[in-house]
Amino acid sequence: DAKTTQPNSMESNEEEPVHLPCNHSTISGTDYIHWYRQLPSQGPEYVIHGLTSNVNNRMASLAIAEDRKSSTLILHRATLRDAAVYYCILRVPYSGAGSYQLTFGKGTKLSVIP
Amino acid sequence: DAMVIQNPRYQVTQFGKPVTLSCSQTLNHNVMYWYQQKSSQAPKLLFHYYDKDFNNEADTPDNFQSRRPNTSFCFLDIRSPGLGDAAMYLCATSGSGGVRDTQYFGPGTRLTVL
Repeated sequence: DAKTTQPNSMESNEEEPVHLPCNHSTISGTDYIHWYRQLPSQGPEYVIHGLTSNVNNRMASLAIAEDRKSSTLILHRATLRDAAVYYCILRVPYSGAGSYQLTFGKGTKLSVIP
Repeated sequence: DAMVIQNPRYQVTQFGKPVTLSCSQTLNHNVMYWYQQKSSQAPKLLFHYYDKDFNNEADTPDNFQSRRPNTSFCFLDIRSPGLGDAAMYLCATSGSGGVRDTQYFGPGTRLTVL
């Protein structure tokens, strides 16, 4: 199984940038890197995804290493609402079907300090 | 707003008493997923439907079944709940289920087994 490694927890001060790292040394050429987050007592929500190039959207930026063995999710200004568990996931083909699955790792619990 | 709806949000059942959790979506997505999330753990995929095609994870117990009578609805049946089945059950959908596709999660149903 394609696996990711993330720190168990991180802290950030409110209004400051946060860099959440993820290692995925076994990534294959067609695997997309997805990030989801889960706020307390809610279902996960999509944050961002990418393949090779860095990506930006309204929520975050994703920086992908040139060898694709690691990536970093960047929250430009952390708010209290960003306190959540952040999951870095490799989107891989589901064997025998036309769909692709998400295999969640343990994720990084981000705490934001006022 | 298009969304994924799960009912009920909280369900209490007795040991061994069958229970059904429901999920509906207004996104008209092809793929619907069921995840189990135990306390302080990551979501774990139980099975998914690609249109009418059912795909079961190899380690999903036989005690868990699913039905998808139409595009909009999907049900999770637990035939004989045990204490170890107490968890949050998350329903998710995606369009084509492709590698770049994102999943949209419902708020979850928290199941308590007495």
